[in-house]
Amino acid sequence: GDSVTQMEGPVTLSEEAFLTINCTYTATGYPSLFWYVQYPGEGLQLLLKATKADDKGSNKGFEATYRKETTSFHLEKGSVQVSDSAVYFCAFNYGGATNKLIFGTGTLLAVQP
Amino acid sequence: DTEVTQTPKHLVMGMTNKKSLKCEQHMGHRAMYWYKQKAKKPPELMFVYSYEKLSINESVPSRFSPECPNSSLLNLHLHALQPEDSALYLCASSLLGQGEKLFFGSGTQLSVL
Repeated sequence: GDSVTQMEGPVTLSEEAFLTINCTYTATGYPSLFWYVQYPGEGLQLLLKATKADDKGSNKGFEATYRKETTSFHLEKGSVQVSDSAVYFCAFNYGGATNKLIFGTGTLLAVQP
Repeated sequence: DTEVTQTPKHLVMGMTNKKSLKCEQHMGHRAMYWYKQKAKKPPELMFVYSYEKLSINESVPSRFSPECPNSSLLNLHLHALQPEDSALYLCASSLLGQGEKLFFGSGTQLSVL
């Protein structure tokens, strides 16, 4: 069935370090892919998205590329900041009449000064 | 206005109480969602409304009763809840179609005593 697998956290990095959070998906169709971020005590915010193969989503220095051949959508950032500390969720949907999002388990990122 | 507004932010209720969670958006979105999120877990879909009609019920117990009075409002009526229902309840809305992102509210933190 449809599912998303994310690397387990927590991921602990020093400020200005390089970040990668791995995400792979299992889907029966041609989904759109998303990364959402959740700061403590808040709801989820869209970080970036990609809607077709080889698309690159980017926002606030974060990037992810839709890789259909490896069914992956890994999140990267070249230089993390303390303010990036949050939980990151990889997700996908097919759109259509219900637009149901399938979430991964989330990865906690802790950035230390 | 790109916000989804949820009230109340916090709610404590007894197992015999009846309460309601409210959600509002003015982005013209015709899909609205209720998610439940336990601590350190991803959001779990509960209900989806499309064009004010219930389109998905993820086998949610009847003590949770959703209502969509109009295209801008979404309610979740709570009755005879159990302590294990304590969680963050998130409302979201979106346009319908491939690749459309969900906009999330900041949630209602519910505690059932």
